[in-house]
Amino acid sequence: TQLLEQSPQFLSIQEGENLTVYCNSSSVFSSLQWYRQEPGEGPVLLVTVVTGGEVKKLKRLTFQFGDARKDSSLHITAAQPGDTGLYLCAGSDNYGQNFVFGPGTRLSVLP
Amino acid sequence: ETGVTQSPTHLIKTRGQQVTLRCSSQSGHNTVSWYQQALGQGPQFIFQYYREEENGRGNFPPRFSGLQFPNYSSELNVNALELDDSALYLCASSPRDPVYNEQFFGPGTRLTVL
Repeated sequence: TQLLEQSPQFLSIQEGENLTVYCNSSSVFSSLQWYRQEPGEGPVLLVTVVTGGEVKKLKRLTFQFGDARKDSSLHITAAQPGDTGLYLCAGSDNYGQNFVFGPGTRLSVLP
Repeated sequence: ETGVTQSPTHLIKTRGQQVTLRCSSQSGHNTVSWYQQALGQGPQFIFQYYREEENGRGNFPPRFSGLQFPNYSSELNVNALELDDSALYLCASSPRDPVYNEQFFGPGTRLTVL
């Protein structure tokens, strides 16, 4: 059974600070995705990484996929209150037949 | 482009009843997946449908079943409801792809079992 762990579970920071959240597994994934979810809504896709060592940037967000395709990190620079939400990582094997989500990191950015 | 829609938004049932949840996939997507998200947890994969057939299943009992229709919309059926079935049920559609598997989620159906 593939499992994903995320850390930290909760994170509360001040506006303007930097932060990194982590997603780890003992399994190899074909692809790994990051989502952000706000209360009462479905997750919204932020990025997909597929190549070991891959780094993708989305404005103030930087995503990295581990060389062995088992782990990933999300770094946010100069966090803003609008970044508040539940950050979920998810991995899948080929064709997404076994899609696994981590438990999420709940981020709160205080003004 | 129309996104993923789900109905109903909220639903209250009693233990032992049956429920059907509905999902319309995003235009151009032929694969639909269903997830259960309990309060404070990440979504748990229930199953995936492709070409009207179940194409992968998570660790859920047979009383969780589904259908996909020729227009790629889908239903999730849950029989003999239990209190622990109370959760947000999410539907996600995606284009068939061996690698990227990018899921686009609907807003979910909040099911409460009393």
